[in-house]
Amino acid sequence: GENVEQHPSTLSVQEGDSAVIKCTYSDSASNYFPWYKQELGKRPQLIIDIRSNVGEKKDQRIAVTLNKTAKHFSLHITETQPEDSAVYFCAAILSNAGGTSYGKLTFGQGTILTVHP
Amino acid sequence: DTEVTQTPKHLVMGMTNKKSLKCEQHMGHRAMYWYKQKAKKPPELMFVYSYEKLSINESVPSRFSPECPNSSLLNLHLHALQPEDSALYLCASSQVHTAANIQYFGAGTRLSVL
Repeated sequence: GENVEQHPSTLSVQEGDSAVIKCTYSDSASNYFPWYKQELGKRPQLIIDIRSNVGEKKDQRIAVTLNKTAKHFSLHITETQPEDSAVYFCAAILSNAGGTSYGKLTFGQGTILTVHP
Repeated sequence: DTEVTQTPKHLVMGMTNKKSLKCEQHMGHRAMYWYKQKAKKPPELMFVYSYEKLSINESVPSRFSPECPNSSLLNLHLHALQPEDSALYLCASSQVHTAANIQYFGAGTRLSVL
């Protein structure tokens, strides 16, 4: 099965700085990589995703990069704000030999991001 | 509307009780999921329903019994739970289960087993 490793487990930055979270995955057949943000006591919310046919995707202050050869993907947050403080989970979805997806999300262990004002 | 609604928000039950968790979505999604999340851990998949049929059971103990009465509703029936089953139970839905697509999560039911 798929295995996703996420680093760092905690990240503390000053407001305005950039934050980078990295994930590696084990199964080269994985083809979809979402990032979820979960604030304390709330639901995981998708913030950005990337498919295996794309190397980079950006949405305002958030970007994700994917290196299929090295099997790793990263989340980049620029100009961080206190409201960015949350737990961030990367995930991967495994695809079978036919190219369809089981829809089974395998999550990384999470990164607790704290943005200090 | 990307809303997945879960009830109740909180549930306390004894080990001999029977209770049910409910999940509802009106986005026309045909795949629905149950996840279990312990504190400071990622969600762990329990069950997947695709077109109202059970598609994946991640070796979940039989004291958890899922049910999908129709395409909008998903239930999780609980019986004879253990204290270690205390967790946040999340429901999610996506358009279909056979393609990489966005899973939308509900706010969860926080379950405490005494």
